[in-house]
Amino acid sequence: TQLLEQSPQFLSIQEGENLTVYCNSSSVFSSLQWYRQEPGEGPVLLVTVVTGGEVKKLKRLTFQFGDARKDSSLHITAAQPGDTGLYLCAGAEGGKLIFGQGTELSVKP
Amino acid sequence: DTAVSQTPKYLVTQMGNDKSIKCEQNLGHDTMYWYKQDSKKFLKIMFSYNNKELIINETVPNRFSPKSPDKAHLNLHINSLELGDSAVYFCASSTTGGNYGYTFGSGTRLTVV
Repeated sequence: TQLLEQSPQFLSIQEGENLTVYCNSSSVFSSLQWYRQEPGEGPVLLVTVVTGGEVKKLKRLTFQFGDARKDSSLHITAAQPGDTGLYLCAGAEGGKLIFGQGTELSVKP
Repeated sequence: DTAVSQTPKYLVTQMGNDKSIKCEQNLGHDTMYWYKQDSKKFLKIMFSYNNKELIINETVPNRFSPKSPDKAHLNLHINSLELGDSAVYFCASSTTGGNYGYTFGSGTRLTVV
């Protein structure tokens, strides 16, 4: 069974700080996807990374896919209260998404 | 226009009852899914359908029966509900393979009392 280990599970920081969320696996995925989920809503896709070593930027968010396509990271620069939410990484394999446990991020003003 | 819509949003029912959740997508995607999110926010796949054909059945009890009348609709019927079925159920859709991302509905919170 493929597993994705996501860390940290909880993160509480002050506005303006930087943070990194990690997503690690012993398995290779055809793509790695990051989602953000707000209370009472479904996960919303932020980015998909497909190529080993790929880096994608979305405003203050930087996503990286490991060279071996087994791990990924999400880095947020100068976090804002609006970044608060549940961040989920998910690996695509065999026609399904396998999710990590999620990171609950709280950014305090 | 909502891309993936599921109803109802909330469902409270007694043990032993039978209930259904409906899902529709207007994105023209070929593949639809049911995911279950537990109390620790962990998302796990239950079923996937591609063009009305069952592709994945992830060892879900046979009290759960999905039905896809066409590729835009995927419903979930649950018989003889148990306390442990309480969770949030998400419908999602994607292009075949899902490598470029899924679109999720807003979820159905099922509470079995």
